[in-house]
Amino acid sequence: EVQLVESGGGLVQPGGSLKLSCAASGFTFSGSAMHWVRQASGKGLEWVGRIRSKINNYATAYAESVKGRFTISRDESNSTAYLHMNSLKTEDTAVYYCVRQANYYYMDVWGIGTTVTVSS
Amino acid sequence: EIVMTQSPATLSVPPGERATLSCRASQSVSSNLAWYQQKPGQAPRLLIYGASTRATGIPARFSGSGSGAEFTLTISSLQSEDFAVYYCQQYDDRPPWTFGQGTKVEIK
Repeated sequence: EVQLVESGGGLVQPGGSLKLSCAASGFTFSGSAMHWVRQASGKGLEWVGRIRSKINNYATAYAESVKGRFTISRDESNSTAYLHMNSLKTEDTAVYYCVRQANYYYMDVWGIGTTVTVSS
Repeated sequence: EIVMTQSPATLSVPPGERATLSCRASQSVSSNLAWYQQKPGQAPRLLIYGASTRATGIPARFSGSGSGAEFTLTISSLQSEDFAVYYCQQYDDRPPWTFGQGTKVEIK
């Protein structure tokens, strides 16, 4: 079964840092680009960023709202993607989803999400 | 950045009736358009990609149409499990990948 499981969410103060993990199973992780998408409570979906596979030099891209503060990385040895979040703001409060990219750039598998709350 | 606009914001439909949801892009996205379904407390689920291709396991009552900048998701006969929020997303001009604001389909 193809599965993505996020972890690492929690409560953090403004200006703080947090690292989210996404454990993948049931598919060839090394061949897939991976995304992070977030959703504030009662709001719509917002793309956060993407990391490509090794063959594509692990290229990353980020939404303007997080550029310079968030970094995506991956570890092929344990089929895990990461979202490193620094200088967190209250507006970063959301459920964060890890998502697999299909071959033609749409998003075909979503994790269950992990909640990040930025508050003092 | 391509802006995606969905209408209506909320659609009230009796069970068994047809639901038609619209999605408009600020510029052409060819057929690079996906639809997702999200139920309360759950992650989104891929329904349609390539504007009209159903994802694995998606019932035939879901159909997508359109190309360029105008798209439609049709649910031919609404079942109880179909009441949810539906999002369109373009993946033609990326990054960024952009979503519509969603259409909530509720029971009338």
